Amino acid sequence: DAGVIQSPRHEVTEMGQEVTLRCKPISGHDYLFWYRQTMMRGLELLIYFNNNVPIDDSGMPEDRFSAKMPNASFSTLKIQPSEPRDSAVYFCASSLTGGGFAQPQHFGDGTRLSIL
Amino acid sequence: QQPVQSPQAVILREGEDAVINCSSSKALYSVHWYRQKHGEAPVFLMILLKGGEQKGHEKISASFNEKKQQSSLYLTASQLSYSGTYFCGTEVTGRRALTFGSGTRLQVQP
Repeated sequence: DAGVIQSPRHEVTEMGQEVTLRCKPISGHDYLFWYRQTMMRGLELLIYFNNNVPIDDSGMPEDRFSAKMPNASFSTLKIQPSEPRDSAVYFCASSLTGGGFAQPQHFGDGTRLSIL
Repeated sequence: QQPVQSPQAVILREGEDAVINCSSSKALYSVHWYRQKHGEAPVFLMILLKGGEQKGHEKISASFNEKKQQSSLYLTASQLSYSGTYFCGTEVTGRRALTFGSGTRLQVQP
């Protein structure tokens, strides 16, 4: 079975440009998470969705960041305008509801973003 | 609030054992353990639910002390492939997202 698929794998762009990161969760998973990883801040949650609905976006750093999930098989994270401090590895993860039991989160390979 | 992991780093020889701890100030529903190798995504190892369960994954096992809100990851007879950074992720009731610790860098040498 295919895992979580993220694109692009690497993105280098100049400050001020719009950046769009994409994620395809594992088929059948109803939770989708966006995380950001940096040396300074570690692995931190940005936003998560349940059944395509945003549940918690308290980790989104600023209004420059936005995320959507138009259907069960696709999500985007957009940064506009981008700044050098947005440089990081962005991970998407998905999981099942679990019927009352905790379920593992499965991570994509990540997008390494560099803002010059 | 981020869980606290200790130690921050550990170096082992092949065959030696190690323990990694994860403590939280919050009442937890579950603790997840992941391993991440350099340049790769975190890979799921196991979940511990409140109730003090101990789970195993090959020679890696873990426990969860609900009273102390602390989980420990045990690596026995370490192998070179165990090298990487280990993260605990904590989950509270009603919120599915994980809050990750800062990680423990483990290096196994021949």
